[in-house]
Amino acid sequence: AQKVTQAQTEISVVEKEDVTLDCVYETRDTTYYLFWYKQPPSGELVFLIRRNSFDEQNEISGRYSWNFQKSTSSFNFTITASQVVDSAVYFCAGTEDLGAGNMLTFGGGTRLMVKP
Amino acid sequence: DVKVTQSSRYLVKRTGEKVFLECVQDMDHENMFWYRQDPGLGLRLIYFSYDVKMKEKGDIPEGYSVSREKKERFSLILESASTNQTSMYLCASSLPPRTSGPNEQFFGPGTRLTVL
Repeated sequence: AQKVTQAQTEISVVEKEDVTLDCVYETRDTTYYLFWYKQPPSGELVFLIRRNSFDEQNEISGRYSWNFQKSTSSFNFTITASQVVDSAVYFCAGTEDLGAGNMLTFGGGTRLMVKP
Repeated sequence: DVKVTQSSRYLVKRTGEKVFLECVQDMDHENMFWYRQDPGLGLRLIYFSYDVKMKEKGDIPEGYSVSREKKERFSLILESASTNQTSMYLCASSLPPRTSGPNEQFFGPGTRLTVL
């Protein structure tokens, strides 16, 4: 069965620092899909990005960037010049399932605290 | 603006009570999901539904049942609440997967259930 590992349970940085959140997806399948979600204090998870395992191009969106390495099944998320509003719990999730439900397996989450 | 709403943000029930958690989405999504979120464990899937009256068990269905009589509404039922069901419950919805991969899930704000 697949497993999502977010080794960092909590990270604390000072505003304007760069921070990288780690995610490793263990699976026997060669085709899979990875996601990052943000959960701010309000509680509602917000979708950030989806990545296919056959697309190794890195992605940048403003201060956010994602680095996918198929050899290590890692899908790391970097926030550049962090801001207080980035404080949240971040979840990595994955699936190989393209059936009707596309069920996701979530990691345990990383709580990021950005201090002013 | 797309929306997933949950009937309560906070709920306190007694052991043995029957508990209904309601979720409504306005995006005409086929798929709907119920997760529970516990510290360090991330989100774990309880049940999902890919169509009206259709349901599939997730990773932790024991002690729960679901109902989907209308496309927009997905209910989670705790037949006889127990203290180990104290948790945050999150509802989500999504379109079915595309050939290019699964679609993102949209989440509600969550219901924090306490069973005394």
